[in-house]
Amino acid sequence: DGGITQSPKYLFRKEGQNVTLSCEQNLNHDAMYWYRQDPGQGLRLIYYSQIVNDFQKGDIAEGYSVSREKKESFPLTVTSAQKNPTAFYLCASSPDRGGSDTQYFGPGTRLTVL
Amino acid sequence: GESVGLHLPTLSVQEGDNSIINCAYSNSASDYFIWYKQESGKGPQFIIDIRSNMDKRQGQRVTVLLNKTVKHLSLQIAATQPGDSAVYFCAENIEGNNRLAFGKGNQVVVIP
Repeated sequence: DGGITQSPKYLFRKEGQNVTLSCEQNLNHDAMYWYRQDPGQGLRLIYYSQIVNDFQKGDIAEGYSVSREKKESFPLTVTSAQKNPTAFYLCASSPDRGGSDTQYFGPGTRLTVL
Repeated sequence: GESVGLHLPTLSVQEGDNSIINCAYSNSASDYFIWYKQESGKGPQFIIDIRSNMDKRQGQRVTVLLNKTVKHLSLQIAATQPGDSAVYFCAENIEGNNRLAFGKGNQVVVIP
């Protein structure tokens, strides 16, 4: 089965804790992305990576961190510095580093801060 | 779970009718466009794409129209079915940019 997987599907965090969201793809895509989705809003880019061991900040990177040690994996850490972390987090990948190709999304992780 | 469709423009369509969903984009340098469908609690699903050298592209029951003069994109769904109920949003890529910009979306509700 080819595709993008995200885990866990639901995640609960206490205030002040860091949590890491997993994103794995076996599509051999170069580029990977993390977005945040809030009700009634468009997707907002947190971080993206066009190649292994390299990544760039998106529009709302504050309070988040990522790593890209392997082509298949792009985990996102939501740190305690993120003021409003409750949201639906979506990971995507694309075969094209340049952005002129389709991005394919995982099923998402819903993070709730208690 | 909380719906991503909250507070979005809503299109109510009778089952079997055609649906038209519109999207305006702002950058005339955008050269690639995608339509996604998102059901509640799920990740967006690719529907169809179009590049700026085309005006129209057809898929299975869906057609995308691109009007570069007025920077307008539309998605037509033929013979709308209950399974088409979802949020639909467009995305654009600006030539030379390495990221997509996403619209907020439109909620489509199919009435049986």
